[in-house]
Amino acid sequence: AEKVIQVWSTASRQEGEELTLDCSYETSQVLYHLFWYKHLLSGEMVFLIRQTSSSTAKERSGRYSVVFQKSLKSISLIISALQPDDSGKYFCALWEPDTNAYKVIFGKGTHLHVLP
Amino acid sequence: GALVYQYPRRTICKSGTSMRMECQAVGFQATSVAWYRQSPQKTFELIALSTVNSAIKYEQNFTQEKFPISHPNLSFSSMTVLNAYLEDRGLYLCGARRAVQDTQYFGPGTRLLVL
Repeated sequence: AEKVIQVWSTASRQEGEELTLDCSYETSQVLYHLFWYKHLLSGEMVFLIRQTSSSTAKERSGRYSVVFQKSLKSISLIISALQPDDSGKYFCALWEPDTNAYKVIFGKGTHLHVLP
Repeated sequence: GALVYQYPRRTICKSGTSMRMECQAVGFQATSVAWYRQSPQKTFELIALSTVNSAIKYEQNFTQEKFPISHPNLSFSSMTVLNAYLEDRGLYLCGARRAVQDTQYFGPGTRLLVL
């Protein structure tokens, strides 16, 4: 069974709009970390933001923020004021350090197209 | 921020030949290096994890005989794809982590095309 699920394979928005990308995950661990990465056409996988299961802080990094609903096992990435450069593929990822110290499990990704 | 370089960025090899790719952590010491592959139409799957002072751990469906990895120091790792065939094509990402609880940072990937 998939542990990280990104339901939408593609999304399109206009420049300046705000976008929410959804991700759900499965884990029985108490401690885990969730990441959002952006995968560029060049191949680069760029780290965007991280949420630790034990944290209640609303994580934010620039125009990126997350909505973490722990009880629902859901983490959404919000990108505000979209720009054409935000186009790319966004991956949600889960890391369970107690099960496998360094393995990161990726979802299938969501392609974002930002229209000028 | 942490930087991870990979070389080459893209490569083409003939079916049945081998290809070596490199990963370099710049500005930090990587206590662990993970190699991932993204096959066409698929997400990223872990090939193996290389951790300081531990044996390299391969995931199911990946073996040392097929993907030997060298991790000689805290900033460098290399992986070879031996006897590459069509199913080995894809984007190979190297992820490096500074410490146990740290975020994993990825290199730009090596795109392998097998003819």
